[in-house]
Amino acid sequence: SQQGEEDPQALSIQEGENATMNCSYKTSINNLQWYRQNSGRGLVHLILIRSNEREKHSGRLRVTLDTSKKSSSLLITASRAADTASYFCATDDLLQGAQKLVFGQGTRLTINP
Amino acid sequence: NAGVMQNPRHLVRRRGQEARLRCSPMKGHSHVYWYRQLPEEGLKFMVYLQKENIIDESGMPKERFSAEFPKEGPSILRIQQVVRGDSAAYFCASSPQGRETQYFGPGTRLLVL
Repeated sequence: SQQGEEDPQALSIQEGENATMNCSYKTSINNLQWYRQNSGRGLVHLILIRSNEREKHSGRLRVTLDTSKKSSSLLITASRAADTASYFCATDDLLQGAQKLVFGQGTRLTINP
Repeated sequence: NAGVMQNPRHLVRRRGQEARLRCSPMKGHSHVYWYRQLPEEGLKFMVYLQKENIIDESGMPKERFSAEFPKEGPSILRIQQVVRGDSAAYFCASSPQGRETQYFGPGTRLLVL
């Protein structure tokens, strides 16, 4: 079955620096989404990028999608302490049913003040 | 506009007891999804329901687990005769239609003693 994989598994940077997280997946998709999860909390939807899009921006977030390489990246610019969280990519699996999201293991991001 | 609501937020059960997790989708959303998250892992799809119908239960364990989304009231995830391996965070998500962004609730953290 398809599984997204985030890279790196953990990332620690200084406040103000940029953070880049990558995600790879295995099968054809309709869209790819990024979510944030603070420790012990639910998931917050950050951004959705469709398979026919290559780049999308939302505030300090920039997401790219390369369907030929089956990969996506999430860039957070000018990081803040409040960005400390786990970040997950999620894809919908066209083969198994577009209604279910397939999540990666996540990247644990720590922003040091 | 209230988000997805789940209760209880924390649930402790002894082995062999039953666990009932409730989810109220966002207003206007008729699609509900349940996911399970084990510690330090991403979310795994369990089941997708629309009102009074189970659409996809490919991620549900074959025994002890069941889900429903009645015409009136919240969606219920029911786990019978719980075992320690059922300890996890269970998240519900909803969307207005399939193939749209899924909005997650805060989760129910189940601990089986």
